[in-house]
Amino acid sequence: DSGVTQTPKHLITATGQRVTLRCSPRSGDLSVYWYQQSLDQGLQFLIQYYNGEERAKGNILERFSAQQFPDLHSELNLSSLELGDSALYFCASSVGGGSPLHFGNGTRLTVT
Amino acid sequence: SQELEQSPQSLIVQEGKNLTINCTSSKTLYGLYWYKQKYGEGLIFLMMLQKGGEEKSHEKITAKLDEKKQQSSLHITASQPSHAGTYLCGAAIPRGTSYGKLTFGQGTILTVHP
Repeated sequence: DSGVTQTPKHLITATGQRVTLRCSPRSGDLSVYWYQQSLDQGLQFLIQYYNGEERAKGNILERFSAQQFPDLHSELNLSSLELGDSALYFCASSVGGGSPLHFGNGTRLTVT
Repeated sequence: SQELEQSPQSLIVQEGKNLTINCTSSKTLYGLYWYKQKYGEGLIFLMMLQKGGEEKSHEKITAKLDEKKQQSSLHITASQPSHAGTYLCGAAIPRGTSYGKLTFGQGTILTVHP
């Protein structure tokens, strides 16, 4: 158990809808990272937060947004969903730069 | 941007055999992290290498980072079915505002036949 909790585990929704993925980092970790994993693209970095502030953006679409709250949990919001957004979405946390990332078990999103 | 290439893409071995997975970077590695992933599950952290020439071992898995810090290898001795899964290497970028995020290779799928 990595100590990173992601909910829900599975999500099935229709095109055009909006969903929210939730992540609770390991106790003491200030950094939260979101990744998307699909068969054709592999594991792609989306966005990083550190202690509530956005630190880095990767291949995140404008339809996607995220935030980290004062209690350090994070949410990833995906809107106007398309079939191609179907993927595994991972949250990871770390104590800070240079430390290993610890991953949650992911949320499997299926857009129909 | 940093790119990581893993080889081979997939590997099938008989239980008890040794194997090696390689990870090559297009740029100098400031940190190299090995992870294991079972299908549909999260990534499990295995080892972190930061210094040129560094070598670390855990049980039957040994990871090395070359002196030039552009290539890493993961070696499994006497493989077991429990070693099966996808192995991913992740690279850290130099210090900066986004220090900490990792860029990953495409993964190596390992199958171990009993």
